Formats: sequence, structure tokens, C-alpha cells
Amino acid sequence: QVQLQESGPGLVKPSETLSLTCTVSGGSMSNYYWSWIRQPPGKGLEWIAYIYYSGSTNYNPSLKSRVTISVDTSKNQFSLKLSSMTAADTAVYYCARHRPRGWDFDYWGQGTLVTVSS
Amino acid sequence: DIQLTQSPSFLSASVGDRVTITCRASQGISSYLAWYQQKPGKAPKLLIYAASTLQSGVPSRFSGSGSGTEFTLTISSLQPEDFATYYCQQLNVYPVTFGGGTKAEIK
Repeated sequence: QVQLQESGPGLVKPSETLSLTCTVSGGSMSNYYWSWIRQPPGKGLEWIAYIYYSGSTNYNPSLKSRVTISVDTSKNQFSLKLSSMTAADTAVYYCARHRPRGWDFDYWGQGTLVTVSS
Repeated sequence: DIQLTQSPSFLSASVGDRVTITCRASQGISSYLAWYQQKPGKAPKLLIYAASTLQSGVPSRFSGSGSGTEFTLTISSLQPEDFATYYCQQLNVYPVTFGGGTKAEIK
């Protein structure tokens, strides 16, 4: 059974860069796409970026200037960096796997709440 | 970006009720639509993909239909564990986008 687990700081100061890592267990990262998605408290879902196991990427244009996604298949991990954080970036951040041959998400991490505050 | 509008945004129903949630897309997306269920404090769970295909392990009381710009999620007989928030997601073009959600509560 594939499992995903996010890790990273729960609190980030305004203007700083958020770094999150998603560790994949119970399966290989090969031949899959992997994404980061976020959800502000009490609000809906926003896709941030995806990366293929080989390293190709795609970013949400609304965040593209501030986001970097990377993968380390030797560690079964992929990561997110989001710069110039503001209060509007306060959200639960999820990592997720794309369903094979689809762009929907069949496995999700439990999510990690990131609060932006000084 | 493609906008997805869900209706209703909130519904109150009883156990055993038949429930239908609608998702309308701002432009045609063929059948590239998925539905998720999210319970408080939990990650979303994939219920249906390709508009009408049930994800493995999802109870058959859930069904999806539609294509183009209008889609529906139907729960044939609402069970206590179905009280949750439901989201649609379009997969036709990037960035993929989600609807605003429909919260189903116990009447």
C-alpha cells in the first residue's frame, strides 16, 4: 500500500521560503507523476505543481514565479519550495500521486498545516 | 483557468436519502472530471474518475455522470459515513482546478 508523508516546518515567517518534503513508501516513484496541492483553512483545494519521476515539471501559473518542485528517487522523495511567503499562503499542504494514466490523485499524504506569521 | 461551480454548496439530508451534487465547468472538458470526498482533518479521497468510473474500493452507491460542461455525483442511499465535503476536479487542461465544494450534513 502506497503511503505519502509530508514533512517540514509548521510555522514560517513572512517573506521566507517554505521547504516541504514528501516521502513515498510502499511503492516506487517510477513511472508516476507527483503533485503538491494546498488548502487554506476552511477553503477549497488548489493545485500547486507536479513532477514526473524523471524530473519534468509543471507549475500553476498563479504560483510559478515562486515555486520549485524537485525529486530524489534514490530517497523516494519529492520536495516543494515556495518563496516570499505571505499570510495568504497559510494552508494545509498535501502531496499526492497521480493515478496511472490520469491526472486525478489516487494517493494523498495526510497533509501538513503551514502557518505564515511573524 | 477553467472554473468549476458546484451546487448546492451545502446540503442537509437524512440517512437513506438519494443525493445529487452538480458540477458545471466554464468550458467543455469532455469527461475529464473526478470527484473526491473529504472528511474533517483528512485528505481528499478519490471516488470517481473519468466522470463515471468508480475508483477501486469505493461503494457502488456512489455514481457519476455527465460530459462537456455539466456533471453529477449521486449517492443512491446516503450512509452515516458519507457526511463529508465533496469536490469535483477538472483534468482537461492545466492548471487542474477544483470546485468550491459541497458540504453534506445530517438533517
